[in-house]
Amino acid sequence: NAGVTQTPKFQVLKTGQSMTLQCAQDMNHEYMSWYRQDPGMGLRLIHYSVGAGITDQGEVPNGYNVSRSTTEDFPLRLLSAAPSQTSVYFCASSPSSYNSPLHFGNGTRLTVT
Amino acid sequence: AQSVTQLDSQVPVFEEAPVELRCNYSSSVSVYLFWYVQYPNQGLQLLLKYLSGSTLVKGINGFEAEFNKSQTSFHLRKPSVHISDTAEYFCAVSDRGNEKLTFGTGTRLTIIP
Repeated sequence: NAGVTQTPKFQVLKTGQSMTLQCAQDMNHEYMSWYRQDPGMGLRLIHYSVGAGITDQGEVPNGYNVSRSTTEDFPLRLLSAAPSQTSVYFCASSPSSYNSPLHFGNGTRLTVT
Repeated sequence: AQSVTQLDSQVPVFEEAPVELRCNYSSSVSVYLFWYVQYPNQGLQLLLKYLSGSTLVKGINGFEAEFNKSQTSFHLRKPSVHISDTAEYFCAVSDRGNEKLTFGTGTRLTIIP
């Protein structure tokens, strides 16, 4: 059972480039979410989804897009990378939304130069 | 809107001493409360959760937390820490009926041999 898988583990982008961070889970979880982790700021919610075809914004959605075409996958797209998006990104899933513990991936460390 | 405050960014503790990591939350409705732990270069793992019922919650690795509604607190405690407890600890809150989980800024626990 792989759990939550994030790829890539590391990525360096130039300002203005676009890319997609991949997230897949094999636990048939309905709820999936993306967080970014910055020093001294904890984890901040970017986008989340309560099921296939349904997404919504979190606390810091600007500059990011998501889609949920299947239960298993929840990719995060950076449209035009900026240095302020340098961060560690975590994908998480749970069987339902707020009252179920989140299962986290191991993160993607993104640097934008 | 829900929010979480972890006042201590770093807590150094001698091995085998007790520790308390503080967490205060703000919410206008009933809440669910969580503590997560992050070991170096890993994603977060659930330590314990309060959904309802007994205000004293026991988690993994000998940790426990007490929900205090009047003080809006959910402090994490362990009677005797070990080197392996070195990690960052995050308190998180979700309003009942809200699909978003809000994390605190984290407390780095350092165990001194």
